[in-house]
Amino acid sequence: NAGVTQTPKFRVLKTGQSMTLLCAQDMNHEYMYWYRQDPGMGLRLIHYSVGEGTTAKGEVPDGYNVSRLKKQNFLLGLESAAPSQTSVYFCASSLAGEGLEQFFGPGTRLTVL
Amino acid sequence: AQSVTQPDIHITVSEGASLELRCNYSYGATPYLFWYVQSPGQGLQLLLKYFSGDTLVQGIKGFEAEFKRSQSSFNLRKPSVHWSDAAEYFCAVGPRYNFNKFYFGSGTKLNVKP
Repeated sequence: NAGVTQTPKFRVLKTGQSMTLLCAQDMNHEYMYWYRQDPGMGLRLIHYSVGEGTTAKGEVPDGYNVSRLKKQNFLLGLESAAPSQTSVYFCASSLAGEGLEQFFGPGTRLTVL
Repeated sequence: AQSVTQPDIHITVSEGASLELRCNYSYGATPYLFWYVQSPGQGLQLLLKYFSGDTLVQGIKGFEAEFKRSQSSFNLRKPSVHWSDAAEYFCAVGPRYNFNKFYFGSGTKLNVKP
């Protein structure tokens, strides 16, 4: 049981390049989330999904897109990376329902030059 | 507006000393409350959570937290800190029904002196 895994762990991009971050969970969780973590700001929700084939915007969605084609995977895409997207990205998942404890992946450190 | 405040950015305590990390929240309804810990280079791990009932909750690794409704606080405590507790701690609040409205505090980084 691996829990929540993220690929890659580190990445350096140039401004304007695109990339996709992959999140996978093996806990059969309905809900999945993408957060970014910036110094002094805690975690902020980018996008989330309540089930296969559904996604929705969070607090800071601009510049990102997501897809949930399979229940266990949640992809975060950057179509044209900007230096402001330099951050640590965390994926999380949880069961559906009240009082949702989220399980987090180890994070992806992205630097955009 | 909903918010979570962790007023202490950094805290240093000696090993064996007691610890209290502060968390204050502003929320319109009765929230669910959580404390997470993040070790360097790792994701967040849940320490404990409060949903209802007894306002003193026990968590993993010897941590506890007390919910005080009148003060809108949910402070994390540990009676005797170990060097392995050095990490960053995040308080989070969420509504009972809107899962996309989770709010995290900005974190408190704990250093432990030998």
